[in-house]
Amino acid sequence: QQQVKQSPQSLIVQKGGISIINCAYENTAFDYFPWYQQFPGKGPALLIAIRPDVSEKKEGRFTISFNKSAKQFSLHIMDSQPGDSATYFCAAEDTGTASKLTFGTGTRLQVTL
Amino acid sequence: SAVISQKPSRDICQRGTSLTIQCQVDSQVTMMFWYRQQPGQSLTLIATANQGSEATYESGFVIDKFPISRPNLTFSTLTVSNMSPEDSSIYLCSVGVTTDTQYFGPGTRLTVL
Repeated sequence: QQQVKQSPQSLIVQKGGISIINCAYENTAFDYFPWYQQFPGKGPALLIAIRPDVSEKKEGRFTISFNKSAKQFSLHIMDSQPGDSATYFCAAEDTGTASKLTFGTGTRLQVTL
Repeated sequence: SAVISQKPSRDICQRGTSLTIQCQVDSQVTMMFWYRQQPGQSLTLIATANQGSEATYESGFVIDKFPISRPNLTFSTLTVSNMSPEDSSIYLCSVGVTTDTQYFGPGTRLTVL
């Protein structure tokens, strides 16, 4: 059973626009929510992460919004650039049990000129 | 963070053979994990590599097919045994630097003919 649902599957955004990727989880024991960025032929790179004690975290152009009651979290990429074109994965972890990450299905983002 | 290397970076193998993938970290880490990423898909955890003891496998993965070694806190190997074309994937190791944060290696792209 998939425990982290991610949408959309693919996304096309114009340069300078806002990219928004959404994830929803089921397991209320999850207490750590990272986002990974993966370029073709590379391993996933940790982008930004949040814990459920805050509703938002911002790092540069990247912001995570977290809604604990709805069990949803999202990644916002402001002023999207062609270099942001990659696949983005959300993930969730119950840090109390062996630190295992459960990944979403991924979103392929394309930023056009 | 941690610098993670994997060998080989890619390989093409014949059906029925085995391939051992190496993962090296530049610092001692407590947690090491092995993931599989099938073409265009998300990441699936194969097992947790435990230093000095048998690996902990996830549902659907067995030791006879994916034997794992972890002789010390900086190195691990994953063997893909008796390969079939269905084993064609990217195999990634990751390390847990803290209780929640995981960093990934560049991956090994395996093609089985």
